[in-house]
Parts: sequence; C-alpha cells; structure tokens
Amino acid sequence: GAGVSQTPSNKVTEKGKYVELRCDPISGHTALYWYRQSLGQGPEFLIYFQGTGAADDSGLPNDRFFAVRPEGSVSTLKIQRTERGDSAVYLCASSLGFMGQGPQYFGPGTRLTVT
Amino acid sequence: SQQGEEDPQALSIQEGENATMNCSYKTSINNLQWYRQNSGRGLVHLILIRSNEREKHSGRLRVTLDTSKKSSSLLITASRAADTASYFCAPRDSGYALNFGKGTSLLVTP
Repeated sequence: GAGVSQTPSNKVTEKGKYVELRCDPISGHTALYWYRQSLGQGPEFLIYFQGTGAADDSGLPNDRFFAVRPEGSVSTLKIQRTERGDSAVYLCASSLGFMGQGPQYFGPGTRLTVT
Repeated sequence: SQQGEEDPQALSIQEGENATMNCSYKTSINNLQWYRQNSGRGLVHLILIRSNEREKHSGRLRVTLDTSKKSSSLLITASRAADTASYFCAPRDSGYALNFGKGTSLLVTP
C-alpha cells in the first residue's frame, strides 16, 4: 500500500519568505508527527497530531512555525519569515492508534534550504 | 519522552561480518524501537521490543533489552553492503514523540 508522502521533496526559498510543507499520511493512521533533521543529527520532534488536533506542539522552536491538520488526514507545516537556521530536512510520520506507542512510518522528507 | 544514546558513533566492517550497536537510556520504558536511515529508503522502523521481552529476532536482526542496565543492543548478522546506514534507537516511555540520538553510522564494505 501507499506509504507516507511529502511534498515538495526539495524547497529552496529566500530568507524572510513563507513556506508550506505538506504531508499525506498512511490511510487510517490517526496519529501524525512532524520532525526536523539537521545534518549529522537524529530527527528532532516538532509536533504531534491525534486526529485534527495538535496534542503536543512543544517541539516547535518558535511562533514562526505552525502546523494544521484540518480534516484529520493531510497536514501542512507552515514556516513564516524563514531564517537560514531553518534549513533542514523536515520529516513527517504517521502511526496507528492513540498515544502512538507503536512503530512510526516516515515519509521521504522535504529538504528545505533557506538562502 | 526520553532520548536514547547510541554507541559507537561509527562502525566500519566488511561484508559477511556481524555488526553490533548499543543503546542506553535513562528511565523506565514501555518499549524500545530501532530505526534505520539511508539515502535510498529514508527512515524505516526495524524492530520493536517490549519492556517485558529480553530478546527479539527479525531476519538477520537480533535485539536484546536489559531493563536493569537500561540498555539495548542491535546485532546484524552476515552484514551486506545494503546494510550501510545510520541506526537509531528510540526508547518509549508514556510519551508519543520519538527522541532520537545521533545514531550509529554503519559502513559495510565489499
């Protein structure tokens, strides 16, 4: 079956611009997560959705970052006034069930470069 | 959620050899998961071991868990070039986020 998909695969933007990154989870997965991975590091948690609501957004670095999941399926991560330090690979994952204790299934990521 | 710490940071072996990497964590867990990341297939879940399990196998993978020492190990037997990747452990407590360390970078040479 189809896995987690993310678009675009690459995004280059200028400092100060606004970007949107999209995640399409595995059908039927109620839990959705966003992570960010910098070079040489493991992925870092950003936000977790259970259904339509953001159950935990404690990993978002500041208020320039925002994510939505209006219908409980596709999610969009939005970054305002991008900075060079935002350059990273943004990973989306989904999983079955409440509290997400099982495996998480990751998408291929969006590589964001802020120039 | 707590973070696992993988050791060694880097490992280089030849095809056919076994590879062992370790994970340490700090507090009680419900389960511990191992993931692999390479450029071709992204980040992929390998195996989950529950806190009441001591050993688990999946193909050429063998995972052990010692909750008294708060440690886990991942053994890959008869390594192949395709096993070249970074390996991450994710100890799971009651939280839902995966907190990854820097991982173990495995290089398998022909």
